[in-house]
This record gives sequence, C-alpha cells and structure tokens, in this order.
Amino acid sequence: NAGVTQTPKFQVLKTGQSMTLQCAQDMNHEYMSWYRQDPGMGLRLIHYSVGAGITDQGEVPNGYNVSRSTTEDFPLRLLSAAPSQTSVYFCASSYGRPSGTYNEQFFGPGTRLTVL
Amino acid sequence: GDSVTQMEGPVTLSEEAFLTINCTYTATGYPSLFWYVQYPGEGLQLLLKATKADDKGSNKGFEATYRKETTSFHLEKGSVQVSDSAVYFCALSHTGGFKTIFGAGTRLFVKA
Repeated sequence: NAGVTQTPKFQVLKTGQSMTLQCAQDMNHEYMSWYRQDPGMGLRLIHYSVGAGITDQGEVPNGYNVSRSTTEDFPLRLLSAAPSQTSVYFCASSYGRPSGTYNEQFFGPGTRLTVL
Repeated sequence: GDSVTQMEGPVTLSEEAFLTINCTYTATGYPSLFWYVQYPGEGLQLLLKATKADDKGSNKGFEATYRKETTSFHLEKGSVQVSDSAVYFCALSHTGGFKTIFGAGTRLFVKA
C-alpha cells in the first residue's frame, strides 16, 4: 500500500513552460485535492475532486488545470508557468469529504517547483 | 469566511518542557478541527482531531480540546522530545463542506 505518491519531487521550469504534476493514490479514496504551501501562508487549496469526472475550484485555481479520469489519478497541469507559482505542491486524498466522519486527509511527499 | 489563526513561531523548547501551541478559529456552525504535523521533507499527517464541542483529541502524548465558547483548539504536550521537532498546522473543515482551511503553521524546535 503506497498511499499517496507524487512525481516529480523537484522541478525547475522557465517562465511560460507547461508541465504536469502527477498524483496517484491506491486507497480507493473518492476525495482528492491539490494544495500549494508558501512560507507563512499555510496550505491553500488549488482544486479538488469528489470522484472520477468531478472537479471544482479551490481558493487559488488561476493558472492551474485538473482532470480526474480515474479514481486513482489526479494530475495538476500548469498551463504557462510564472514565477508566482514557485511553491511546494501537495496532493491529498481522503475516503470522504473533509467534513464527514472519515475525513482524515492523507498527503503525498510534495513536489518542490521553482519557476525562473 | 472561515479562517484559522495560529501563534507565530518558531517555538524553541528544551527536551521535556511543556508545549502549548495556540489555535483559534472563525467559522459558522460546528466545524471539525484538526492538528496536522509535517516532519522535515515530508507531507502532512494527521496528529489528532475533534468533531464536536468539548471533544478532546489525543495522540502520541499530544492533546487538544475543542472549545466552542472560546473558538479555540490549543495543542499541548506535557514533555516534548527532540523527535517532536516539526511544523504543526491547525485546520478546520466546515460542516457539509468539501474544503479544509489550514493555519499558517508553527515551527517547533526541541533542543536536547
């Protein structure tokens, strides 16, 4: 049981480049989400999904796209990278919605992204 | 909107000292409250949680009590160890919602 896995661990991009951060979970969790972590700001929700084929925006969605074609995978796409997107990105999953009974979120190890 | 406020760090303690990290929240209704811990180079992991007023969450010697009257969920531990050095995040999820709101995090350093 690998839990939540993320690739790559580190990435450096130039302004304007695009890329996809990968996230996968093997716990059959319905709920998945992407956060960015910036110093002094905690974690901010980018996008989330409540099941395959269903996604919605979080607090800071601009510049990012997501899709959920399977229960296991939830990739995050940066369309045209900007220096403001330099951050650490975490993917998380949970059995149910965060406000429900089974609401513990399991986090991946993170991707550290630098945009030059 | 909902928000979580934590005490600023870093907090530096000697081994076996008493730890308190303050957390207050703003939310309507009765949110679930959480403490997550992030060890160096890792993702967050749930430390403890409480889902209703006066509930006490506990794990690994850490405790926090859901205080509706003061809208607080302070984290405490009676005797910290060097291995407790990490960043601690207070968080809430609103009843019926799909989102978890995190505080800014408090970094704890424990010296031997």
